[in-house]
Amino acid sequence: GAVVSQHPSRVICKSGTSVKIECRSLDFQATTMFWYRQFPKQSLMLMATSNEGSKATYEQGVEKDKFLINHASLTLSTLTVTSAHPEDSSFYICSARDRGGSQETQYFGPGTRLLVL
Amino acid sequence: AQSVAQPEDQVNVAEGNPLTVKCTYSVSGNPYLFWYVQYPNRGLQFLLKYITGDNLVKGSYGFEAEFNKSQTSFHLKKPSALVSDSALYFCAVRDGQSGNTPLVFGKGTRLSVIA
Repeated sequence: GAVVSQHPSRVICKSGTSVKIECRSLDFQATTMFWYRQFPKQSLMLMATSNEGSKATYEQGVEKDKFLINHASLTLSTLTVTSAHPEDSSFYICSARDRGGSQETQYFGPGTRLLVL
Repeated sequence: AQSVAQPEDQVNVAEGNPLTVKCTYSVSGNPYLFWYVQYPNRGLQFLLKYITGDNLVKGSYGFEAEFNKSQTSFHLKKPSALVSDSALYFCAVRDGQSGNTPLVFGKGTRLSVIA
C-alpha cells in the first residue's frame, strides 16, 4: 500500500523555539494532506487540511499563525510549530490521499512526538 | 456534520475467543467507513473500509466489519483473537458525497487480548 513518512520521529525543544515537521508521500502524489494531533490516550483531532499550491484550511480553534502549514509539492507538506510552548507537546500525525489511486483511503505517517521543555 | 462513537474505552478478550469492537456513526450523506489500528508510539495502520457493495468487508490480519445502515453501525470483528491484536483501534467516517472531506475519528477502543 501507499506509504507516508514523517521526519523527525521525535523532537525535544526549548520553549520559544520553532519546530518543523515534514510529511512525505512515497511513491504516490497527494493533492491533499491532513494534519492531526493526538494527546495521550485520546483520539486524533484534525488540525488542518493542506492543499498543494494553496493555503491550508484550519479547523476551528487551531491558530494558523502558530501552526504554519506549507504544501509545496505533491509529495511534501510541512507543519511548523512556531514559538512552541509546553502545551504544544503532543503526537502529530500527517495523512495523505493518493491522487492517482482510490481517493477514499487516507494513509497515515508514523507520527512525530514533540516535547517542549 | 459527521461523528463517530466508540462506546467502549476498553475491551478485554481471551486469546482464541471472538472479539467485537463497536462503532456507530452519523453522517448526512453516504458513509465511507474505516477501521485503523495503532500500536504504541506509532501511526495508524489501515485495516479495512466500507465504501459500497457487500455489507461485510474483510480486511487485514483476519479482521472484518459489517456495515449496518439501519443501525448506523460498523462493528469490527475477528473470529479468534491473538495476543498480538492488542492495540488501540479507531473507527472513522467521512461523507462520501462531500468531496475531499477529511476523516473524523472515534475516541478509540483499547483492545487487550489475554493469553
